[in-house]
Amino acid sequence: AQKVTQAQTEISVVEKEDVTLDCVYETRDTTYYLFWYKQPPSGELVFLIRRNSFDEQNEISGRYSWNFQKSTSSFNFTITASQVVDSAVYFCALIPGSARQLTFGSGTQLTVLP
Amino acid sequence: DAGVIQSPRHEVTEMGQEVTLRCKPISGHNSLFWYRQTMMRGLELLIYFNNNVPIDDSGMPEDRFSAKMPNASFSTLKIQPSEPRDSAVYFCASSFRLGEAFFGQGTRLTVV
Repeated sequence: AQKVTQAQTEISVVEKEDVTLDCVYETRDTTYYLFWYKQPPSGELVFLIRRNSFDEQNEISGRYSWNFQKSTSSFNFTITASQVVDSAVYFCALIPGSARQLTFGSGTQLTVLP
Repeated sequence: DAGVIQSPRHEVTEMGQEVTLRCKPISGHNSLFWYRQTMMRGLELLIYFNNNVPIDDSGMPEDRFSAKMPNASFSTLKIQPSEPRDSAVYFCASSFRLGEAFFGQGTRLTVV
């Protein structure tokens, strides 16, 4: 069975602070894919990133960066110099093996205060 | 492309009534997913289709729920009869590349 744990339910930061959202996953498959999605107040989920289990390189996209560590089964997401528009619920998700459906974590509500 | 289109955006219905949620996926996407989101249970997969064929419906709560995908551009999720515990936001998503799903804006269902 697979599982995604986002232990941080809510985080509040002040604008321009850096913030890291934690994600820990469990799967028995050696091949799997990890994802982050953003759900802004408008409600739709927006795809941010996909990583496969064989690629542990960290990735940076503008103010966003992701740290994938197989040794600790973690796939953490950092927002640098946060902005009010970053306020949203962020979901980490997993697709194990040959499955096609996403297994989501419970989400982290990020609030960035002006 | 307009993205994944869901209708209606909001639905309020009385317990026992039939509810039909509709979804138009992005053209060219070969997978379609129905998810349900509640505060208590988070995001749950109900069913997904690949090339219009239902692949995994193990998340469908019970026989009151049914989903169809008669063609590549349309899917429905039906609840009959509806119950208050079905109140949730229902999302449709489509994808072409594994896991990179594009979600609709959801249908907020309230059963009173």
